[in-house]
Amino acid sequence: GEDVEQSLFLSVREGDSSVINCTYTDSSSTYLYWYKQEPGAGLQLLTYIFSNMDMKQDQRLTVLLNKKDKHLSLRIADTQTGDSAIYFCAETLFGFNKFYFGSGTKLNVKP
Amino acid sequence: GAGVSQTPSNKVTEKGKYVELRCDPISGHTALYWYRQSLGQGPEFLIYFQGTGAADDSGLPNDRFFAVRPEGSVSTLKIQRTERGDSAVYLCASSETGNSPLHFGNGTRLTVT
Repeated sequence: GEDVEQSLFLSVREGDSSVINCTYTDSSSTYLYWYKQEPGAGLQLLTYIFSNMDMKQDQRLTVLLNKKDKHLSLRIADTQTGDSAIYFCAETLFGFNKFYFGSGTKLNVKP
Repeated sequence: GAGVSQTPSNKVTEKGKYVELRCDPISGHTALYWYRQSLGQGPEFLIYFQGTGAADDSGLPNDRFFAVRPEGSVSTLKIQRTERGDSAVYLCASSETGNSPLHFGNGTRLTVT
């Protein structure tokens, strides 16, 4: 299957920026997504980027896509304690409707 | 409007029993997905419906697992002869069409004792 990999943990202080990274293996990705999961809840869509874009900004969130290196990142500016959660990246592939998810990065925001 | 609704939120069953998990997608969403999430892992694809038909069931682990969506709206995931290894959170998601963003329900936590 397709591999989507993320680092497991990230710890930052409140007010700092967080950068969560993701790498994927399949070059035929169409869209790449970031989801947030809080304890006991389903996944909440944060943002997504089409594979022919390099960057997308949405309020405190900035997504960067490096297609050459198959690297996706999510930057959260002015990180708040409410941002503590698990963040998943996911991709869809051209011609397929499956979403492939990474294992998630647990973000811990210290006050 | 209402999001994706899954019932029950928790299900405890004994090994060997049969269970049904229900998903009510967002109204008007034609695509419906079932995923399974084990502790510390990302969601793992099980099956995808476009309308009433299963467009891709390649993620179902074996023939004990089956899902239906008879009227193109509500879906039921059915697991026969449950095993302890089936314990996980079963997530349902819907989207307007295939390949548009998924909207997830809160999941059903299945525990097989």
